Amino acid sequence: DAGVIQSPRHEVTEMGQEVTLRCKPISGHDYLFWYRQTMMRGLELLIYFNNNVPIDDSGMPEDRFSAKMPNASFSTLKIQPSEPRDSAVYFCASTMDWGTEAFFGQGTRLTVV
Amino acid sequence: GIQVEQSPPDLILQEGANSTLRCNFSDSVNNLQWFHQNPWGQLINLFYIPSGTKQNGRLSATTVATERYSLLYISSSQTTDSGVYFCAVEGVANTGTASKLTFGTGTRLQVTL
Repeated sequence: DAGVIQSPRHEVTEMGQEVTLRCKPISGHDYLFWYRQTMMRGLELLIYFNNNVPIDDSGMPEDRFSAKMPNASFSTLKIQPSEPRDSAVYFCASTMDWGTEAFFGQGTRLTVV
Repeated sequence: GIQVEQSPPDLILQEGANSTLRCNFSDSVNNLQWFHQNPWGQLINLFYIPSGTKQNGRLSATTVATERYSLLYISSSQTTDSGVYFCAVEGVANTGTASKLTFGTGTRLQVTL
């Protein structure tokens, strides 16, 4: 397996624009996680899915953020409208089951200007 | 939620030196992982170690779950070991902290020639 695949690797957008980040988990993994990394807050969990169902979205900062997982091999994280404070590296990760090893994608570096 | 503390926050070593990084956590865990974030930002899995001891080349890790800590040992350090080392834990199921990794703030390691 190629591991967790995220796209794009880098995104630069203007404030107010919609941004969509994409993730393909490892095949056979039932859990998918979205994390955000910033200098101020470190790595923080935004939302996670189990079998394509959102389980905990308490980390989503506000209504401008939304995430979907339409099938087992694809998830999106959308920010609309984007703001400069959303600039961060966004990671997607997947695990086979709870308590098992998590594997991370290479991340998407988002810059909102 | 579960708290994760790492020490030291920063570490500078001369190439060839050994080091020990520590991770303390506040509750029982089902999963503990060590990651290395390289200078390109990629999160690389080092160990999946909820308990016991593992070794991989110059790196080894020990988790004493009953005392709620884990140690990462780096021997004969090399400049390529530079980066940030993260400990991440997942709490035991049904405690509200299951199925999501909580990250420590990391240890930033710089290995010099």
